[in-house]
Amino acid sequence: ILNVEQSPQSLHVQEGDSTNFTCSFPSSNFYALHWYRWETAKSPEALFVMTLNGDEKKKGRISATLNTKEGYSYLYIKGSQPEDSATYLCAPLNQGGKLIFGQGTELSVKP
Amino acid sequence: DTAVSQTPKYLVTQMGNDKSIKCEQNLGHDTMYWYKQDSKKFLKIMFSYNNKELIINETVPNRFSPKSPDKAHLNLHINSLELGDSAVYFCASSPWGGISYEQYFGPGTRLTVT
Repeated sequence: ILNVEQSPQSLHVQEGDSTNFTCSFPSSNFYALHWYRWETAKSPEALFVMTLNGDEKKKGRISATLNTKEGYSYLYIKGSQPEDSATYLCAPLNQGGKLIFGQGTELSVKP
Repeated sequence: DTAVSQTPKYLVTQMGNDKSIKCEQNLGHDTMYWYKQDSKKFLKIMFSYNNKELIINETVPNRFSPKSPDKAHLNLHINSLELGDSAVYFCASSPWGGISYEQYFGPGTRLTVT
């Protein structure tokens, strides 16, 4: 079983601030790394799936990087907006085909 | 149209009862999953089916039994419900094959056992 840790657990920023979160996981038994965005009262929605060491993905103001050798991924949000407020989950996919979710980083963006 | 749907959305029942939660996906995916959101809000995999075949079966009580009548449906039946079964249960689906496919989640079913 992988131990997935996300930090910080929660984050409060002002509109326009840029921010980043960390996901760390054991680098063995790793196949891919998923990031999901989970708004209150909705279902988790996929942001990125990354597989290769050094992968970088971008969607609008949100981007992510992956380091499989040291077992971490960063998620960046540039110029945060109130609609970015959500919990951001990372989940490594292990060789058994299971997603192991972290507890998430809860982001609150104030206007 | 909702891609992954679950019914019911809320379920309140008494200890000892048997209940089912239904999940349907219209995305044409081959693989479906059941997750439980525990008291610490972690999402934990329970089961996964690929084209009606069970491929992931985590350590859950055998009171929980998944059933997949076809690849678009995955139902979860729970016997002899206990207080500790109270949680939010999420269904998800994804294409099969490769490791780079994201999962699509349903809206969740909040189960409360009294």
